[in-house]
Amino acid sequence: AIRMTQSPSSFSASTGDRVTITCRASQTISSYLAWYQQKPGKAPKLLIYAASTLQSGVPSRFSGSGSGTDFTLTISCLQSEDFATYFCQQYYSYPYTFGQGSKLEIK
Amino acid sequence: EVQLLESGGGLVQPGGSLTLSCAASGFTFSSYAMNWVRQAPGKGLEWVSSIRDSGGSTYYTDSVEGRFTTSRENSENTLYLQMSSLRADDTAVYYCAKGTCSGGSCAFDFWGQGTPVTVSS
Repeated sequence: AIRMTQSPSSFSASTGDRVTITCRASQTISSYLAWYQQKPGKAPKLLIYAASTLQSGVPSRFSGSGSGTDFTLTISCLQSEDFATYFCQQYYSYPYTFGQGSKLEIK
Repeated sequence: EVQLLESGGGLVQPGGSLTLSCAASGFTFSSYAMNWVRQAPGKGLEWVSSIRDSGGSTYYTDSVEGRFTTSRENSENTLYLQMSSLRADDTAVYYCAKGTCSGGSCAFDFWGQGTPVTVSS
């Protein structure tokens, strides 16, 4: 199975900050990479797919980049509603696998 | 509006069985791959299973292969997950998710609210 490793696992930031989360795949996954946001007690929400394509309705402050094995999710100007846990997922091959999550907390 | 509504979760003894359902609406169900993802308490997301739009192909994570069966009834817009020989480590919230696919590879663009499964004596 392809292993997905996210960093950092948790971190804090302030409203208005620019933050970046990284995701590394244990082998190449081309651009078959998605990013999800999850808030406590809620289902995950798709933010980015195909590494850099913004899902409809997602604010443009979210962006994704990368291909092959190294990917990033950037939030350009943190809003209060962005404090959540973020997961990357590869869908290049079965079994699909998720990163362990990156919890973003308010500083 | 896409809606996915899971049901069928609950408390079951180790070794027992349970069938989850996911009722879909707001899209042409028969045209999309569907998926099950679970989340153990306080843990991350784990992909469980996928089924192609026609139902002709199914895929499973190793830990449930041979114990879980995913199926769909396109005429009723419903996805199923039949779970047997349940173990304590199957305890989780189970989500169904609609696939958004490119060349057969799918991200998950809409999720249900989840249904909890607890395996305990």
